[in-house]
Amino acid sequence: EAGVTQFPSHSVIEKGQTVTLRCDPISGHDNLYWYRRVMGKEIKFLLHFVKESKQDESGMPNNRFLAERTGGTYSTLKVQPAELEDSGVYFCASSQDRTGDSPLHFGNGTRLTVT
Amino acid sequence: LAKTTQPISMDSYEGQEVNITCSHNNIATNDYITWYQQFPSQGPRFIIQGYKTKVTNEVASLFIPADRKSSTLSLPRVSLSDTAVYYCLVGDMNNYGQNFVFGPGTRLSVLP
Repeated sequence: EAGVTQFPSHSVIEKGQTVTLRCDPISGHDNLYWYRRVMGKEIKFLLHFVKESKQDESGMPNNRFLAERTGGTYSTLKVQPAELEDSGVYFCASSQDRTGDSPLHFGNGTRLTVT
Repeated sequence: LAKTTQPISMDSYEGQEVNITCSHNNIATNDYITWYQQFPSQGPRFIIQGYKTKVTNEVASLFIPADRKSSTLSLPRVSLSDTAVYYCLVGDMNNYGQNFVFGPGTRLSVLP
């Protein structure tokens, strides 16, 4: 089975520009999560989709971040306009259901650098 | 949120058994204990998960005492490729969101 894939693996943009990150979860996984690690910090939760619905977006830092999951398949995370403090690694994860024997599967992340 | 505490780093040698202990004194009734492994430039990879007693799979064992206030990840006969950061997480598996908290993890270095 293919794992969680994220694109691009790296992105370098200038402050004020827009960047869109994409995540393709494991096929059949209804739950999709975005996390991020900014420089020197720990991995933090951003938001959670169940199919196409946002279940919890309490971790989104501000309204410059917009996540979508149209059709309940892949998801995008747009940062507009990007700021220097947005630099970090953005991870996507998916799980089949929300029970104890359905762990999170992570992608390898997108490393975002804002200059 | 159930907070976890684990050693920042550990060193071991190839072929040894490695035990990493995690403290989670305020674990809730619905919380499971999950361990992830992360290599540089990769996402966290699920290792093992448990609720109580002992769980074993093909890569590790997880020991959880009756009070569940701590847990120990046991890696048998480590190799150089086991050098990674290991995260202990505690949370309600009905919600991997805000209550599924990553700490700094334990950086394991396996030496030849």
